[in-house]
Amino acid sequence: NAGVTQTPKFQVLKTGQSMTLQCAQDMNHNSMYWYRQDPGMGLRLIYYSASEGTTDKGEVPNGYNVSRLNKREFSLRLESAAPSQTSVYFCASSTRQGRFILYGYTFGSGTRLTVV
Amino acid sequence: TQLLEQSPQFLSIQEGENLTVYCNSSSVFSSLQWYRQEPGEGPVLLVTVVTGGEVKKLKRLTFQFGDARKDSSLHITAAQTGDTGLYLCAEGKLVFGKGTKLTVNP
Repeated sequence: NAGVTQTPKFQVLKTGQSMTLQCAQDMNHNSMYWYRQDPGMGLRLIYYSASEGTTDKGEVPNGYNVSRLNKREFSLRLESAAPSQTSVYFCASSTRQGRFILYGYTFGSGTRLTVV
Repeated sequence: TQLLEQSPQFLSIQEGENLTVYCNSSSVFSSLQWYRQEPGEGPVLLVTVVTGGEVKKLKRLTFQFGDARKDSSLHITAAQTGDTGLYLCAEGKLVFGKGTKLTVNP
């Protein structure tokens, strides 16, 4: 089925460890995003990539890096995990026109990350 | 940064009741999307509204976009237990509201 695929689905890290969250979409969308979702805080944008070859910071980029590997893939890296990064991470993709999202996002099913 | 306020934060009703949830902003929306998120899953797009005054219907769900494009509502008629979930609004500049958590009891 077409959509957004995230791996892994669950991960436990120790403080200071690094890891990369993978995301791939097969809908030929030009834009991809990483959000984190925390209780009471809603979905907050970490980084986004408006098109292949570009990336921009969102609301909460500190402690993260991203790579837009090609049009399909957008990865999120935690270089030195901290307990404050315990969250559910969602990747999403969309079609954009300029700064605006035309038809909404398609989300992956999330990665549940715990940092101990 | 545009802030989206959703209300109520929590809503618990009985099956068969009607309900309305709201999404408001102090700024004009470029476009607005509504999503439903079930536990353990990502949000799923329900509708996108673009034009002020627009009304869209999706079975028992009715979405309205305010004339001034600063507010939107989602009305559910005869709620079912399958409507249980977190309802999120999002605007076209990458901002989400915090959501309304709806529980429909049998």
